[in-house]
Amino acid sequence: KQEVTQIPAALSVPEGENLVLNCSFTDSAIYNLQWFRQDPGKGLTSLLLIQSSQREQTSGRLNASLDKSSGRSTLYIAASQPGDSATYLCAVRRRSGGFKTIFGAGTRLFVKA
Amino acid sequence: GAVVSQHPSWVICKSGTSVKIECRSLDFQATTMFWYRQFPKQSLMLMATSNEGSKATYEQGVEKDKFLINHASLTLSTLTVTSAHPEDSSFYICSASGPSSYNEQFFGPGTRLTVL
Repeated sequence: KQEVTQIPAALSVPEGENLVLNCSFTDSAIYNLQWFRQDPGKGLTSLLLIQSSQREQTSGRLNASLDKSSGRSTLYIAASQPGDSATYLCAVRRRSGGFKTIFGAGTRLFVKA
Repeated sequence: GAVVSQHPSWVICKSGTSVKIECRSLDFQATTMFWYRQFPKQSLMLMATSNEGSKATYEQGVEKDKFLINHASLTLSTLTVTSAHPEDSSFYICSASGPSSYNEQFFGPGTRLTVL
């Protein structure tokens, strides 16, 4: 059974700081891993999708890495801004069992101005 | 990326009534759709997986007679919450993916259900 864990559960940083969000998963047989952003009361915004054959993806100030063998992914946010405040969700799409996507509990990020 | 819409975006209903939520893929054929539920300050929990033209597969603990899912076409899936009760109040999100299992899932904006 695939389990996805995100650490830390919550994070508060001053504006401008670089930060790393962590995601770990128990079953390395995955199709892809995706990072999402969710603002309070809103839906999901896809940030980065990493296929199982890839090791990282970059978009602007965001960089996500994937290490399947160790079951880990990190989301790196450079030069954080107050607008980055949100909950960040890591989601793993399984290779078996209907290709379901399993979500982590999320990291609530607050960037102080 | 592909677009998935949900309707309504929010709904308030009385206890005991049924509510239908629609999920549409606007610019691609969605052979598989997923329904998730999210309680406040919690993550998304998969409720069921539906493939076009066949019965939905429900996750353990999800009542199939209470949460009716229909995936009648390649662009539309519906979730009906029957005899809704206050504990069914939640944020419901659907996602859709195309014919290949490698295809990315695209998520709808969600539907906020409040049962009084």
